[in-house]
Amino acid sequence: EVQLVESGGGLVKSGGSLRLSCAASGFIFSSYSFNWVRQAPGKGLEWVASIDSRSTYIYYADSVKGRFTISKDNAKNSLYLEMNSLRVEDTAVYYCTRDIYQGRLVFLPDYWGQGTLVTVSS
Amino acid sequence: NFVLTQPHSVSESPGKTVAISCTRYSGSIASNNVQWYQQRPGSAPTTIIYEHNQRPSGVPDRFSGSIDISSNSASLTISGLVTEDEADYYCQSYDYTHLVFGGGTKLTVL
Repeated sequence: EVQLVESGGGLVKSGGSLRLSCAASGFIFSSYSFNWVRQAPGKGLEWVASIDSRSTYIYYADSVKGRFTISKDNAKNSLYLEMNSLRVEDTAVYYCTRDIYQGRLVFLPDYWGQGTLVTVSS
Repeated sequence: NFVLTQPHSVSESPGKTVAISCTRYSGSIASNNVQWYQQRPGSAPTTIIYEHNQRPSGVPDRFSGSIDISSNSASLTISGLVTEDEADYYCQSYDYTHLVFGGGTKLTVL
């Protein structure tokens, strides 16, 4: 069974940093690409960042570029999102999602984690 | 980048059929696969349609997806509505470097 479990969310002050983790199981982690997607309270889904299976291709939404870093550790079956210079508007539930196909990144999530809440206070 | 536009809300009665549209502005709807997600209150999204019209295992065949090149839009059709279908629905596509979501549609089954 495919499982994605996020952790690392919490309350942080504006300008602070946080590192989110996503522990994966039930599939060959190293063969897949991943995406982070967030959802502000009461709002829709917003793409944050994507990384291909070999960490060769990495892409960011303009709203987080230069502040967030996505990475994956194939040895630990884990995906990460390092978030720096956090702003109040980064407050959201952050979801880890697996891309649908093995190998190449196609920006098509199939499995989603349950999410972790990040709250940035002023 | 392009934009995907969905109606803010739709409502229909149990047993009826409803269609939720997703219109692409800039570029062809057919140029990249469209996916649909269901998000029930308090839960994470789940994938209900991939590659325009394919259903993952476990998704009832009451859910179907399609694209219409003439209107440059995708549609999610849900037939035989049941109260459990009440949820938010999001379309999604991509270009070379970005993943794009529609704004979401709240489906009320009343």
